[in-house]
Amino acid sequence: NAGVTQTPKFQVLKTGQSMTLQCAQDMNHNSMYWYRQDPGMGLRLIYYSASEGTTDKGEVPNGYNVSRLNKREFSLRLESAAPSQTSVYFCASSQRDGDSPLHFGNGTRLTVT
Amino acid sequence: GQQVMQIPQYQHVQEGEDFTTYCNSSTTLSNIQWYKQRPGGHPVFLIQLVKSGEVKKQKRLTFQFGEAKKNSSLHITATQTTDVGTYFCAGRSGNTPLVFGKGTRLSVIA
Repeated sequence: NAGVTQTPKFQVLKTGQSMTLQCAQDMNHNSMYWYRQDPGMGLRLIYYSASEGTTDKGEVPNGYNVSRLNKREFSLRLESAAPSQTSVYFCASSQRDGDSPLHFGNGTRLTVT
Repeated sequence: GQQVMQIPQYQHVQEGEDFTTYCNSSTTLSNIQWYKQRPGGHPVFLIQLVKSGEVKKQKRLTFQFGEAKKNSSLHITATQTTDVGTYFCAGRSGNTPLVFGKGTRLSVIA
């Protein structure tokens, strides 16, 4: 049982490049989330998908897009990376949005130069 | 929008001392969750509190939810080096997504 799997683990981009962060969960969870974590800022929600077929903006959505490909997979895309997007990105899933425990992936450390 | 404030930001304790982190919300919460993140790791769920005045214990950890459901605390008795990490609270108000506090980083000096 892998839980939540994120790829890649590390990535270095140049300003203006694009990339997609992949996330998959095998717990049959309905809700999935993308967070970013910056020093001293805690975890900030970028986008979330309360259920398959829906996506909503979180606290810091600018510069990102998401796709809930199916119940298992939720990807995060940076169309034109900026240095301000240097961060650690965590994908998470939960059985129900808001009142179920979040299960986090191991994170992607992204550096934009 | 909803804000969740967590204090202190850092806490350094001698092994065996107690530790408490506090979480305060600007709005009434429907529930609050606590997570622990070890250095270099990912957040791991510890517990969820739902009821006003609720107190839950996990071995040396005691979690409380305030009567007004606007604040919560996590208390660790007799800290050990294995307690090192950052502790986050996360609260939900109405149908909004969970909002995380900025966390309290705990260092334990052996």
